[in-house]
Amino acid sequence: QKEVEQDPGPLSVPEGAIVSLNCTYSNSAFQYFMWYRQYSRKGPELLMYTYSSGNKEDGRFTAQVDKSSKYISLFIRDSQPSDSATYLCAPPTGTASKLTFGTGTRLQVTL
Amino acid sequence: GAVVSQHPSRVICKSGTSVKIECRSLDFQATTMFWYRQFPKQSLMLMATSNEGSKATYEQGVEKDKFLINHASLTLSTLTVTSAHPEDSSFYICSASRLAGGADEQFFGPGTRLTVL
Repeated sequence: QKEVEQDPGPLSVPEGAIVSLNCTYSNSAFQYFMWYRQYSRKGPELLMYTYSSGNKEDGRFTAQVDKSSKYISLFIRDSQPSDSATYLCAPPTGTASKLTFGTGTRLQVTL
Repeated sequence: GAVVSQHPSRVICKSGTSVKIECRSLDFQATTMFWYRQFPKQSLMLMATSNEGSKATYEQGVEKDKFLINHASLTLSTLTVTSAHPEDSSFYICSASRLAGGADEQFFGPGTRLTVL
């Protein structure tokens, strides 16, 4: 079993929709989770991170962690075409804080 | 803040030549820098972890003699692909981490697209 799993998509939604992006993990030692956004042919951009015990909101983005089911979600409200990208969840592991990336979910927001 | 740059953004070279890629953290000192490669429609694969002044730690299956990493300062790391071959063609991305609020935040560079002819 992979340590982090994401549905690769693509997920297509109309502009203005609420988007739910999900990630499951297997290692209960993960203490916090990063969400990155990657546009095509660009490096990933850190969106936000949340600790394993709580939720976090930042503008249109909300990250949630359900530790009991090892399930992480990123919600995007009022989605925009500019949100079209691949979203990666990545928990850091070990003393060097190496990131374990899921495959990412490709999101397409249509007009 | 937290900007990471990479140079060059794109490079095309002949088979057998060596290519150097620079990664710089522009507005912070990075505790650790990382090097990744990414093939089309795949996720990032960590190649190595590097700390200033010490030897890089390579992931399993990554040839350290082929992918030379030098971490000269807290703001600069370089990756040299030696004797490049077409199968080394890929998107190489670096990241730099800093400790903030108890979490290690990793910031990525824009990537370098390497094409080996």
